[in-house]
Amino acid sequence: DGGITQSPKYLFRKEGQNVTLSCEQNLNHDAMYWYRQDPGQGLRLIYYSQIVNDFQKGDIAEGYSVSREKKESFPLTVTSAQKNPTAFYLCASTPEGQGRIGELFFGEGSRLTVL
Amino acid sequence: DAKTTQPNSMESNEEEPVHLPCNHSTISGTDYIHWYRQLPSQGPEYVIHGLTSNVNNRMASLAIAEDRKSSTLILHRATLRDAAVYYCILRDRQGAQKLVFGQGTRLTINP
Repeated sequence: DGGITQSPKYLFRKEGQNVTLSCEQNLNHDAMYWYRQDPGQGLRLIYYSQIVNDFQKGDIAEGYSVSREKKESFPLTVTSAQKNPTAFYLCASTPEGQGRIGELFFGEGSRLTVL
Repeated sequence: DAKTTQPNSMESNEEEPVHLPCNHSTISGTDYIHWYRQLPSQGPEYVIHGLTSNVNNRMASLAIAEDRKSSTLILHRATLRDAAVYYCILRDRQGAQKLVFGQGTRLTINP
């Protein structure tokens, strides 16, 4: 079945370590997004990508990095520069293009805890 | 910043209708109104979207004000499974853009 797969579902990291969260989609969607969610809060946009080899910063990009080398994949790296990385991370994708207002499809999320 | 405003929380009783409001006073002519809901520890799921006319699907109805500056998501008969956080966002039909979510409305359903 088509969908978005995020891995790992749970991840523990020591302070000072970089960690990469995986996001893969087989929906042939052009646009992909990364959001961060803290307990009891809404979603905040980290990065988004409209097409391969292109991505834009969202509202809270500091301390994060992304790549978009393939249409299906949009990995997020949480670097040691991110001061409070403990959060729930959500990846989403959607078809884009002129006149295509598709729904956002979300993965199940990755919960990162810094020890 | 989010371009929509929603109440932080609402409460309703099982099997009663629920009306969830959303204000989007700066909406442009090319913006679609989308609604999503999020259950605990899960990713949000699509509920419904519309442009100008009211819309119905199996999950809910969307009522859009004539001036498009506000909309209301209607759950006709709430069930306990409808307890979630509901988000209203705007999407420009010109193509991909920075999609910003607000805080959403936490809906509690009483048995």
